[in-house]
Amino acid sequence: AQSVTQLGSHVSVSEGALVLLRCNYSSSVPPYLFWYVQYPNQGLQLLLKYTTGATLVKGINGFEAEFKKSETSFHLTKPSAHMSDAAEYFCAVGSRGSNYKLTFGKGTLLTVNP
Amino acid sequence: EAEVAQSPRYKITEKSQAVAFWCDPISGHATLYWYRQILGQGPELLVQFQDESVVDDSQLPKDRFSAERLKGVDSTLKIQPAELGDSAMYLCASSLVTGALTGELFFGEGSRLTVL
Repeated sequence: AQSVTQLGSHVSVSEGALVLLRCNYSSSVPPYLFWYVQYPNQGLQLLLKYTTGATLVKGINGFEAEFKKSETSFHLTKPSAHMSDAAEYFCAVGSRGSNYKLTFGKGTLLTVNP
Repeated sequence: EAEVAQSPRYKITEKSQAVAFWCDPISGHATLYWYRQILGQGPELLVQFQDESVVDDSQLPKDRFSAERLKGVDSTLKIQPAELGDSAMYLCASSLVTGALTGELFFGEGSRLTVL
């Protein structure tokens, strides 16, 4: 079984400030980890993914995430928030053992204040 | 840029009525998914197709929901009869077979259902 916990349903930052969105996962086999972004009334778009190899992964729009096996975490960061980053962010876990099915977290709504 | 097409974007219906959603995946994508996203929640997989075959429908409420992908291309998700608790966004996604190994799903804009 696999699961995802996103800490904080709502995160608010000022423009230019650090963005940190937290994600912890549970998986009985080596996980594949993802961050997706969803803008209002739209589908989800892949930000970045970790499958194997380098544990620090870079994605689109200046976001990056680090896979920490010992902490079962995959937190999303961006050094400087932009107004256009305001959206909902979903962490997801998948694995070969789950027939590649993705399990999503409940999401974190990011607001960026001017 | 190729996109996953879904229709209708919005649907309002009364309970006990039938509703249907349509999805056309990106050309060449063998794997198609239907997700349900309740307001304030993450997407939950309802059904996954590989070509025309169902791979996973363990979370599909089969007493009222049905899904088909007859020719392995576009797909239809039907609810009959609709209940108040079915109000949600229904998202379709597709991926290449190899994409499925890395979980890179391409999502449509979704169909928002409101049941009155």
